[in-house]
Amino acid sequence: AQTVTQSQPEMSVQEAETVTLSCTYDTSESDYYLFWYKQPPSRQMILVIRQEAYKQQNATENRFSVNFQKAAKSFSLKISDSQLGDAAMYFCAYSPSGERGNEKLTFGTGTRLTIIP
Amino acid sequence: KAGVTQTPRYLIKTRGQQVTLSCSPISGHRSVSWYQQTPGQGLQFLFEYFSETQRNKGNFPGRFSGRQFSNSRSEMNVSTLELGDSALYLCASSLGPRVQPQHFGDGTRLSIL
Repeated sequence: AQTVTQSQPEMSVQEAETVTLSCTYDTSESDYYLFWYKQPPSRQMILVIRQEAYKQQNATENRFSVNFQKAAKSFSLKISDSQLGDAAMYFCAYSPSGERGNEKLTFGTGTRLTIIP
Repeated sequence: KAGVTQTPRYLIKTRGQQVTLSCSPISGHRSVSWYQQTPGQGLQFLFEYFSETQRNKGNFPGRFSGRQFSNSRSEMNVSTLELGDSALYLCASSLGPRVQPQHFGDGTRLSIL
């Protein structure tokens, strides 16, 4: 069974600084997707960034980038120039791809990110 | 384009009752998944529907059921409610079962008294 581990329950960062959230996962699949979702107090789960395992290039979305280390099964999220609106719960998630496709998302336990003004 | 719409936003029930939650996916999305979120268990997959058929089911008792209609809207039902069913229930949609990513709604907060 696939598992996703987020070892940092809480993180804080000064506004405008950079922070990195960690995620490791375990799978026997060779092809899969990895995601970071953000859940602010408004509850909606918002997709931040996604990575296809077959792509060696790390995904980037504006101030958000990932460090994907497939051999180490590590998928960290870097947030640059942190803003107050980045405060939220961040979830790392895994999904198999290929024939089984969109079976389900397996989530980590989340990291609560606080932005210090 | 409207996002995933879940109704109602809040719901209060008592033990033993049953409840039905509704989810309207993004227009054009045909796959709908349901997740339960609790402080103790985190986010857990309930089930996934595509073309009115349940494709996958998580490890939940038979009291949890769902269905999908021809317009891709989905409902989930929980019968004989227990205190432990108190949770945020999230619905997510995608274009299809082999297409990522999933887009989530705001959830329904279910409280059992």
